Amino acid sequence: QVQLVESGGGLVKPGGSLRLSCAASGFTFSDYYMSWIRQAPGKGLEWVSYISSSGSTIYYADSVKGRFTISRDNAKNSLYLQMNSLRAEDTAVYYCASTVVVAATGYYFDYWGQGTLVTVSS
Amino acid sequence: VIWMTQSPSLLSASTGDRVTISCRMSQGISSYLAWYQQKPGKAPELLIYAASTLQSGVPSRFSGSGSGTDFTLTISCLQSEDFATYYCQHRGTFGQGTKVEIK
Repeated sequence: QVQLVESGGGLVKPGGSLRLSCAASGFTFSDYYMSWIRQAPGKGLEWVSYISSSGSTIYYADSVKGRFTISRDNAKNSLYLQMNSLRAEDTAVYYCASTVVVAATGYYFDYWGQGTLVTVSS
Repeated sequence: VIWMTQSPSLLSASTGDRVTISCRMSQGISSYLAWYQQKPGKAPELLIYAASTLQSGVPSRFSGSGSGTDFTLTISCLQSEDFATYYCQHRGTFGQGTKVEIK
């Protein structure tokens, strides 16, 4: 069955960096768009970024543009999120999710990992 | 920018009740809307996509309707396992969430 396992979260100081990973199994990873979505403690869901199946198309939320970089390695069935210049407001559980794109105007997230907690604090 | 308004934010109901959650868009989005359920400490799960298509494995008491700007998630007969928070989503925007709690 589909499995997405995030890792790499932890405590980091403001201005620091962290790299999250998401290991995928149970489906043909190279066929799927993938996304990162986050959830601050006690808050709602916020989409962060998505990457096309080949890696050629990438989008970011304005809140992370210029600081975060999404990437993937299809040979390793893995998705990554490099987070630089971290701020307190980046504190959240970060989920990776497989993403279904519909007619280039809509997309949704059909499978989610369990999430990894990133805490930005001095 | 498309704005999304999900309501109510809190819904108190009893087992067996029929409940509806609304998601209203600031401009038409055809049927490009999804609904998710999230239980405490767990990842969200996809319930419905394309406004009304039930994800595989989701009980038939869940249904979605609407197109354009107004969408609804309906739970026809609330079960104990349905007490959770529900989110609508269009592209990179999620609704604010609706917590369904026990009355």
